[in-house]
Amino acid sequence: QKEVEQDPGPLSVPEGAIVSLNCTYSNSAFQYFMWYRQYSRKGPELLMYTYSSGNKEDGRFTAQVDKSSKYISLFIRDSQPSDSATYLCASGEGNNRLAFGKGNQVVVIP
Amino acid sequence: DGGITQSPKYLFRKEGQNVTLSCEQNLNHDAMYWYRQDPGQGLRLIYYSQIVNDFQKGDIAEGYSVSREKKESFPLTVTSAQKNPTAFYLCASSALGEKLFFGSGTQLSVL
Repeated sequence: QKEVEQDPGPLSVPEGAIVSLNCTYSNSAFQYFMWYRQYSRKGPELLMYTYSSGNKEDGRFTAQVDKSSKYISLFIRDSQPSDSATYLCASGEGNNRLAFGKGNQVVVIP
Repeated sequence: DGGITQSPKYLFRKEGQNVTLSCEQNLNHDAMYWYRQDPGQGLRLIYYSQIVNDFQKGDIAEGYSVSREKKESFPLTVTSAQKNPTAFYLCASSALGEKLFFGSGTQLSVL
C-alpha cells in the first residue's frame, strides 16, 4: 500500500465552482500535511501547509486534515481558469521523507 | 532574488553516457533533495542531504549519484547504470524541519 493515495483522475469543473480534492495516508506517525500546485512542466509550488487536524484557510483555499481517519482534503472556492493545474498532496513525519500522492489534474472551464 | 535554480531545462542523454543535473539555492537552506517525476507516478525521492558532505539514499537511488561539497549546491549525476532515465527531475530545499520548496525542473530524455 502506498503511503499516500490520491486518485489521479482528471477533474473538470465550470468556472466559479468549488473544487474538492482528497488524499488518504497510511502512516499514523505522519504529522506534516501539504498541498502543492504544479503547472505543466514547472516545479510544484507550496499552497498549504499544516501539522494538525482541522481546517486551515488561505484566501480561496481551505486545507482539511482528519487524523482519526487519515484523510486530507483541499477545497478551492470560486475556481478560476488560472487554477487549472495538477494538485499534489504530501505527508510525512519530517520533510526529509515526504510521501507524495500521484496528483490530480484539475481543469477549470471558463 | 532568492530561489532554487535548476539547469539545464532540457537535457538529452546518449546510450552509456553519464549526465549531471545542476541545482543551486540561495535560500541558505541546510537540506536539499532530488525527486524524479514520471507521468502518473507522483514524486519519488532519489537522494537527500541535510548537511554539507553528507547525503542519504531515497527510495530510488540506484543508477544515480550526488555530491554536497557546498551548502548551495547539490548536483545529481544520472549514470549509465540507470536504464530508464527519461523523466522530469526536481530539486528541492528546505530549512531543517520546515517546508519544502522546489526548483523549476529538468526534463531528461534519451536519444
